[in-house]
Amino acid sequence: EVQVVQSGAEVKKPGATVKISCKVSGYTFTDFFMHWVQQAPGKGLEWVGLVDPEDDETIYAEKFQGRVTITADTSTDTAYMELSSLRYGDTAVYYCARGALDYWGQGTLVTVSS
Amino acid sequence: QSVLTQPPSASGTPGQRVTISCSGSSSNIGSNYVYWYQQLPGTAPKLLIYRNNQRPSGVPDRFSGSKSGTSASLAISGLRSEDEADYYCATWDDSLSGPYVFGAGTKVTVL
Repeated sequence: EVQVVQSGAEVKKPGATVKISCKVSGYTFTDFFMHWVQQAPGKGLEWVGLVDPEDDETIYAEKFQGRVTITADTSTDTAYMELSSLRYGDTAVYYCARGALDYWGQGTLVTVSS
Repeated sequence: QSVLTQPPSASGTPGQRVTISCSGSSSNIGSNYVYWYQQLPGTAPKLLIYRNNQRPSGVPDRFSGSKSGTSASLAISGLRSEDEADYYCATWDDSLSGPYVFGAGTKVTVL
């Protein structure tokens, strides 16, 4: 059974950095891209970027370029999303999702508050 | 503002057929597969349709997808109360703004 489990909620101050994890099981980690998606409160889905765990290649949305880093650790089958220079507008639930976004994590709420 | 245009809302009574449109351009829908996701309140999105019209295992055949040119649509037939959710179309985009793009979402209400 495929499982995608994310780390818990985070509260950060403006300007700080947050790193969220996404641990998978039930399939070969390197066989699928891992995407990250942002959903601000009451808003729609916005694609952040992806990593190919096989070769660590990444692609980022223009909006997040320069502030986001997505990585994959094949020794632990875990993907990470790091977002820096946090601003109030980054308050959102962040999801990781496999491949064709067929399996999603439960979401991680990141709150940016002073 | 998304490069994929969806109506903000749609509604129907139980048993009716509801259709949601998703309009794009030659750089996204026109040259890539379309995906549809369902998001029930307070939950993570779920893949509903992939590669324009394919249903993952477990998705009822009441849900169907189609694509023509630079537009796609999702149809829900035999509408049920549990179909009340937000629906998003998505696809790859060959422009610089973001390789994978979502529509803004359509809220389906069962009257």
